Amino acid sequence: DAKTTQPNSMESNEEEPVHLPCNHSTISGTDYIHWYRQLPSQGPEYVIHGLTSNVNNRMASLAIAEDRKSSTLILHRATLRDAAVYYCILRVPFNSGNTPLVFGKGTRLSVIA
Amino acid sequence: ETGVTQTPRHLVMGMTNKKSLKCEQHLGHNAMYWYKQSAKKPLELMFVYNFKEQTENNSVPSRFSPECPNSSHLFLHLHTLQPEDSALYLCASSLRTGDGNTIYFGEGSWLTVV
Repeated sequence: DAKTTQPNSMESNEEEPVHLPCNHSTISGTDYIHWYRQLPSQGPEYVIHGLTSNVNNRMASLAIAEDRKSSTLILHRATLRDAAVYYCILRVPFNSGNTPLVFGKGTRLSVIA
Repeated sequence: ETGVTQTPRHLVMGMTNKKSLKCEQHLGHNAMYWYKQSAKKPLELMFVYNFKEQTENNSVPSRFSPECPNSSHLFLHLHTLQPEDSALYLCASSLRTGDGNTIYFGEGSWLTVV
């Protein structure tokens, strides 16, 4: 139960911006929106996260819809190294009070030179 | 380098063997996790440890036995595994288990059961 919906795959040309969408219509008011990516043969790595406001860091930008039911990860200039599976994640609360990451299938981004 | 180190990176074991996967984090985190990634399937959460105490067991078969002797080390003991247990096993850590905490993953241990 990943609670998010992402396209299975997307393609981008190198040096162009990429917008990766995510729908999370059942998001609650306290859920953070997390993005991780997994490069081939590596563990996932943190990209960005946000709650309500748009967020920027050195890797990407996160645009969050006003109603918070969707968000978009923006890679400003895609490089070949950005080819990966991108996961949009809402933490799942367990009975213990923990909210570990529960991954869905993500979006496989291909970058074309 | 994420600060989470897993060994061995590759392991081949028979179904009657006993082996262990090791994870060490140098980040001062208090929460540690084991995930399993099978071919063409999403990552599956297996176990969560918080301050050395196991707080989640996500219906994992008993042939997988975790151990967390301190907040920096996490083991996954493997015994009488099946070929379908072949997968990438990922260790991760975070400062705490609550939302908003970034999780850092190791590079994983590739396990093949023959």
